[in-house]
Amino acid sequence: AQSVTQLDSQVPVFEEAPVELRCNYSSSVSVYLFWYVQYPNQGLQLLLKYLSGSTLVKGINGFEAEFNKSQTSFHLRKPSVHISDTAEYFCAVSEGGSQGNLIFGKGTKLSVKP
Amino acid sequence: GAVVSQHPSRVICKSGTSVKIECRSLDFQATTMFWYRQFPKQSLMLMATSNEGSKATYEQGVEKDKFLINHASLTLSTLTVTSAHPEDSSFYICSAATRTGRDTQYFGPGTRLTVL
Repeated sequence: AQSVTQLDSQVPVFEEAPVELRCNYSSSVSVYLFWYVQYPNQGLQLLLKYLSGSTLVKGINGFEAEFNKSQTSFHLRKPSVHISDTAEYFCAVSEGGSQGNLIFGKGTKLSVKP
Repeated sequence: GAVVSQHPSRVICKSGTSVKIECRSLDFQATTMFWYRQFPKQSLMLMATSNEGSKATYEQGVEKDKFLINHASLTLSTLTVTSAHPEDSSFYICSAATRTGRDTQYFGPGTRLTVL
């Protein structure tokens, strides 16, 4: 069975500092990987996704993530965060080739302080 | 593109009543729609998957007679919470997958249900 682990429930960081949000997954088959962001009382917005090809994926708002198959990781990074990046971030996985059935991690609350 | 709307955004109802939540794909046809619920400070849990014109597939532990899902067209799915109770209070989020973009779900803004 697939599972997703987000090791950090909360990540506080100062504005303009770099940040990495960690995500590890387990699966016996090839997977698609996603990062979503959720602002308070809103739905989820897709930040980026890995389907195949280059292991470094660039997304919106300056975020990027790197797929590491050997470490079964898909960590999210941003070199310089803004106050507006304060939100909940969810990593998700689905089996490659299938439609839907996303398995979500528990989320990481990113708090950017001035 | 790929915008999904939900209506209402918030609803408060009395215990024992039924509530209908609509999920619409505004600029694309969604062959599959998904319904999730999210408890405070927790992740999303898939409730059911619905394909246009067929019965929904419910996840284990989700009562299909309590959470009625209808996916009558390629742009509309509805979730009806029947005989709602306070423990049904939650944030309900739908998502939709396009015909061609089968790998990605696009999420609605969510509906906050409060049952008194």
